[in-house]
Amino acid sequence: DGGITQSPKYLFRKEGQNVTLSCEQNLNHDAMYWYRQDPGQGLRLIYYSQIVNDFQKGDIAEGYSVSREKKESFPLTVTSAQKNPTAFYLCASTAFRSSGANVLTFGAGSRLTVL
Amino acid sequence: GENVEQHPSTLSVQEGDSAVIKCTYSDSASNYFPWYKQELGKRPQLIIDIRSNVGEKKDQRIAVTLNKTAKHFSLHITETQPEDSAVYFCAANPSGNTGKLIFGQGTTLQVKP
Repeated sequence: DGGITQSPKYLFRKEGQNVTLSCEQNLNHDAMYWYRQDPGQGLRLIYYSQIVNDFQKGDIAEGYSVSREKKESFPLTVTSAQKNPTAFYLCASTAFRSSGANVLTFGAGSRLTVL
Repeated sequence: GENVEQHPSTLSVQEGDSAVIKCTYSDSASNYFPWYKQELGKRPQLIIDIRSNVGEKKDQRIAVTLNKTAKHFSLHITETQPEDSAVYFCAANPSGNTGKLIFGQGTTLQVKP
């Protein structure tokens, strides 16, 4: 499981609580991404960051926040404003290619369950 | 923005048969189309990809074809084996080279021994 590490693997949260999912990579990749996986809906992009101290919203950013203070780290906070947070969360990273053929390396994921 | 549709959502085949999964995309500026395989409880991993300047690419039992005019691409797996059972995702890169990928909904492939 080298390269990109997510923690915790499983997380339980009570309604109204914020939780932060960790994502760390030692691949020296410039860009990092957070995806949410739900059955039958594929992988949907939450946030992404191409460079330190900069990030952009993906397709489903509402109720989530991120930071990119270090190249290696891209934590995701699931806030109480996220109406349906129970899901499997995947972090990914890539080294940019000018061709656009950017291969994503994924972490093992974090499963969040709201009780 | 880019939208990727994937069909079928589930696919069951007998061991040794072929399997085909199809995807369509909307952004004509997309130029990179990877396929990821996610085994149960594991992370998605790239199995094959194709650039827009080629129409077909093969790697042993798997192949991908691309029709730029129709904006669709397909994954072909021949001589399927039980270890091919997994969820398969197609993806496309939207214009702007941000590195992000837009994924299809996924296909659960079951290969029956």
